[in-house]
Amino acid sequence: AQSVTQPDIHITVSEGASLELRCNYSYGATPYLFWYVQSPGQGLQLLLKYFSGDTLVQGIKGFEAEFKRSQSSFNLRKPSVHWSDAAEYFCAVGASNTGNQFYFGTGTSLTVIP
Amino acid sequence: DSGVTQTPKHLITATGQRVTLRCSPRSGDLSVYWYQQSLDQGLQFLIQYYNGEERAKGNILERFSAQQFPDLHSELNLSSLELGDSALYFCASSVDSDYNEQFFGPGTRLTVL
Repeated sequence: AQSVTQPDIHITVSEGASLELRCNYSYGATPYLFWYVQSPGQGLQLLLKYFSGDTLVQGIKGFEAEFKRSQSSFNLRKPSVHWSDAAEYFCAVGASNTGNQFYFGTGTSLTVIP
Repeated sequence: DSGVTQTPKHLITATGQRVTLRCSPRSGDLSVYWYQQSLDQGLQFLIQYYNGEERAKGNILERFSAQQFPDLHSELNLSSLELGDSALYFCASSVDSDYNEQFFGPGTRLTVL
């Protein structure tokens, strides 16, 4: 069965520091992967996606993610965090064999210290 | 703004009642998805409709039902409500049924008292 694991429930970083949020997935076929961000009281906004091709994908707000098939990972990175990046981050895998339903990880809450 | 709209934004009701949540997808999107977000269960896929037809079903309770109308808007009906149904309900839409990113609405926060 498809599943997504985000091992870090909460991460705190200083403003200007680099960031890496971990995501591991389990899926029988080639996955298509997403990172979404949710600010308090808001819906989910797509940061980036991976369908195929180049395993390093660029997203909005300076985020990037790298797909590593051998490690079943799709980690999100940002070289320099801004205070406005404080939010909840969700990794998701899309399962095309039954519609287009997404399986979400439990999320990582990011706190940014000034 | 994702282009997906949901109404109402907040809903407070009592146990045993029935409510209807409404979603309008982005212009041109044929698929609508419903998700439930709660503290203990996280983000759970409930159901997907594509061009009026049910396409995929997830962890949706029998007390819940949904439909997509000819104008492509969708409604999620929740009946015999229980305290545990209190959650944030998101609607998302995508252009097609497969291999597409989903755009999420702002959600409806349901509180069952």
